[in-house]
Amino acid sequence: DSGVTQTPKHLITATGQRVTLRCSPRSGDLSVYWYQQSLDQGLQFLIHYYNGEERAKGNILERFSAQQFPDLHSELNLSSLELGDSALYFCASSVGAAVGRNEQFFGPGTRLTVL
Amino acid sequence: AQKVTQAQTEISVVEKEDVTLDCVYETRDTTYYLFWYKQPPSGELVFLIRRNSFDEQNEISGRYSWNFQKSTSSFNFTITASQVVDSAVYFCALSEAAGGGADGLTFGKGTHLIIQP
Repeated sequence: DSGVTQTPKHLITATGQRVTLRCSPRSGDLSVYWYQQSLDQGLQFLIHYYNGEERAKGNILERFSAQQFPDLHSELNLSSLELGDSALYFCASSVGAAVGRNEQFFGPGTRLTVL
Repeated sequence: AQKVTQAQTEISVVEKEDVTLDCVYETRDTTYYLFWYKQPPSGELVFLIRRNSFDEQNEISGRYSWNFQKSTSSFNFTITASQVVDSAVYFCALSEAAGGGADGLTFGKGTHLIIQP
């Protein structure tokens, strides 16, 4: 158990809908990262928040957005869902803001299925 | 742009054999970090090792060992005396220090390792 929690574990929805994925980092970690794992694209970095501020963006679609709240939990919002958004979404957390210097602990993931 | 290549899509060996997973990376940064993660069938990502670009010493942890060679931009992972529990998808990843190093990890496509009893 990494200490990172993600809810829900599974999510099934329809095209055009909007969903919210939630992540709670390990106690003491200030950074939260979101990744998408799909068969087509593999594991891709989406976005990084550090202590409530956005620090870096990766291959995140405009239909997707995220935020980190004062209690440090984070939410990833996916809207106007398409079939291709079906994937496993991971959240990871670390102590600091510099990716390489800090080990990232990954949550169990949320499996999103868009029908 | 940074890139990680894991050319071996799938490897199948018999238990107790040694197996090496290859990882080749591309980066323009002089300071960077390399990682290996394991993803067992249950789906979670398990951290195995982190290595910075200034430390080329090989590392051994039990049956696992890593060979980092900057001259060939490779960071290969060897499992000695493989066991069925080693069956998983293994990912190599890279992080550059440029720009504060806030960008997330760049992952390779992964190598699916199958250990047959």
